[in-house]
Amino acid sequence: EAEVAQSPRYKITEKSQAVAFWCDPISGHATLYWYRQILGQGPELLVQFQDESVVDDSQLPKDRFSAERLKGVDSTLKIQPAELGDSAMYLCASSQGGMHTDTQYFGPGTRLTVL
Amino acid sequence: GQNIDQPTEMTATEGAIVQINCTYQTSGFNGLFWYQQHAGEAPTFLSYNVLDGLEEKGRFSSFLSRSKGYSYLLLKELQMKDSASYLCAVMDSNYQLIWGAGTKLIIKP
Repeated sequence: EAEVAQSPRYKITEKSQAVAFWCDPISGHATLYWYRQILGQGPELLVQFQDESVVDDSQLPKDRFSAERLKGVDSTLKIQPAELGDSAMYLCASSQGGMHTDTQYFGPGTRLTVL
Repeated sequence: GQNIDQPTEMTATEGAIVQINCTYQTSGFNGLFWYQQHAGEAPTFLSYNVLDGLEEKGRFSSFLSRSKGYSYLLLKELQMKDSASYLCAVMDSNYQLIWGAGTKLIIKP
């Protein structure tokens, strides 16, 4: 069964350092999402891509976060500099993109701890 | 504002039935999703409702009433592996998913 891949699974960094997360969506999925999830809360959308174009990044803290999907396949989310409040689970999801109501399938996530 | 309400935590007994409720107030409605999330893992898709009524899928069923802004997830024949958080999410008029905080379900033997 096709899955969304993410790496690393865990990342510990010190504040003010740069971190990067990678996501490879299910093959053929045009839409890719990055979410942040704090323990005990639902996921919060950071950025949504349709192919290589950003559809929604209204909740992305653009002073420190950036995301790209240059060839419309895999994607990278970067934080520079990391702050203590960035500690969370970062989830990547993908959907076929043919219909707006397509189901989103999630990768295993990256657990970020900022010290 | 947009809002999804779910109970924070529920406890049930192995082999029993449990109903997890979700009420929502969103700008528009394009369907409601239920996801299961085990501790430290990613959410996995359980069900999607866009029309009123009950959708059954094995031990899990999901119900929707659009007029009442209400859904529930029904889990039958509970197993220990069903211990997880259950997330309700509504797709609004902009086709964005609005997520609830999740219901932590604890199954006791």
